[in-house]
Amino acid sequence: SAVISQKPSRDICQRGTSLTIQCQVDSQVTMMFWYRQQPGQSLTLIATANQGSEATYESGFVIDKFPISRPNLTFSTLTVSNMSPEDSSIYLCSVVRGDGLSTDTQYFGPGTRLTVL
Amino acid sequence: QKEVEQDPGPLSVPEGAIVSLNCTYSNSAFQYFMWYRQYSRKGPELLMYTYSSGNKEDGRFTAQVDKSSKYISLFIRDSQPSDSATYLCAMKAGGSYIPTFGRGTSLIVHP
Repeated sequence: SAVISQKPSRDICQRGTSLTIQCQVDSQVTMMFWYRQQPGQSLTLIATANQGSEATYESGFVIDKFPISRPNLTFSTLTVSNMSPEDSSIYLCSVVRGDGLSTDTQYFGPGTRLTVL
Repeated sequence: QKEVEQDPGPLSVPEGAIVSLNCTYSNSAFQYFMWYRQYSRKGPELLMYTYSSGNKEDGRFTAQVDKSSKYISLFIRDSQPSDSATYLCAMKAGGSYIPTFGRGTSLIVHP
């Protein structure tokens, strides 16, 4: 398994501001992922963050809105920029242990609960 | 039609009941099937992981996959109040490391 921590655990922000969420893993991992979980909705992948390369964003998510950093194999940040109330959600960091094969399993952090007023 | 359909519930059962949670899917390429449990204000934790069709049992939990019907189930025997959580199904195709998740079913087990 993997021990994943996220900071902050929750925050209330004003529209137009930005929030950076940190994700720390207890050991080195190749792939890290950022998800959004809105009430009543399934987990939606925002982007994949690999160390040493730019993040890969899913359809509907752009780097200007959700810039990601991956400075090393145990840490990543996601910034939610120029926030609006529609960005209110739970943001989850996730890692895969292994080589990215289908048999690898995904582990999740505790999430960051964001409310935008 | 979404790739993975899951009834959000809530499903409320008395303690000791057998619980059946289900998902249907449309993508025949899915080969790996997972169930995650998510407690309130926590991240999802992997509960069961199965490959292709068949059953897998782990304690009080049984995961069942019927690929011919594109239907997966999670059974919980002798349910406990501590089982109260949201259960998310997830599945992925061979060669993919990104699963597709269902919306999750909220389960409430009352004493």
